Amino acid sequence: QLQLQESGPGLVKPSETLSLTCTVSGGSISSSSYYWGWIRQPPGKGLEWIGSIYYSGSTYYNPSLKSRVTISVDTSKNQFSLKLSSVTAADTAVYYCARERSGRGFDYWGQGTLVTVSS
Amino acid sequence: DIQLTQSPSFLSASVGDRVTITCRASQGISSYLAWYQQKPGKAPKLLIYAASTLQSGVPSRFSGSGSGTEFTLTISSLQPEDFATYYCQQLNSYLRYTFGQGTKLEIK
Repeated sequence: QLQLQESGPGLVKPSETLSLTCTVSGGSISSSSYYWGWIRQPPGKGLEWIGSIYYSGSTYYNPSLKSRVTISVDTSKNQFSLKLSSVTAADTAVYYCARERSGRGFDYWGQGTLVTVSS
Repeated sequence: DIQLTQSPSFLSASVGDRVTITCRASQGISSYLAWYQQKPGKAPKLLIYAASTLQSGVPSRFSGSGSGTEFTLTISSLQPEDFATYYCQQLNSYLRYTFGQGTKLEIK
């Protein structure tokens, strides 16, 4: 059974960089059939796709966040990571990592991790 | 970017009811639409992809239809575990995905 687990600091100061890692178990991140993505959800609000990465390293970002986002993959560790720079309170959210079958939606999700931006 | 508008935003219904949620896209997206169910404190769960294909393990009371700009999610007979928030997501704009604002389904 595929499992995804987010990890990283739960508190980040304004103007700093948010860094999260998603560890994939029960399957290979190097599968050619899937992309791997990050989605966030501010408290009490809806879902926002942040970006996705293919195991080769090709990345695709939400245009509204593109200038601040970097997603990377480490196939040797079966992990992919998110960096979001220059954060503000508006970036406070539950951050999810998920697996995507291209064009068919996100079928496996991590449990999510709350990141609060505050001094 | 492609915008998705769900209606209604809130829906009150009873166990056994048939309910329909609509998702309208600001431009045509063929059948590149997925539906998710989310319960409080949990990650979203994929219900339907390609507008009408049921994800493995999802009960058959859930169904999806539509193409182009108008889509629907129907639950044929509401069960207690179906009370949740539902989101549509478009996957047509190549890897520039957007979600609808959500529909909260509550017990009447």
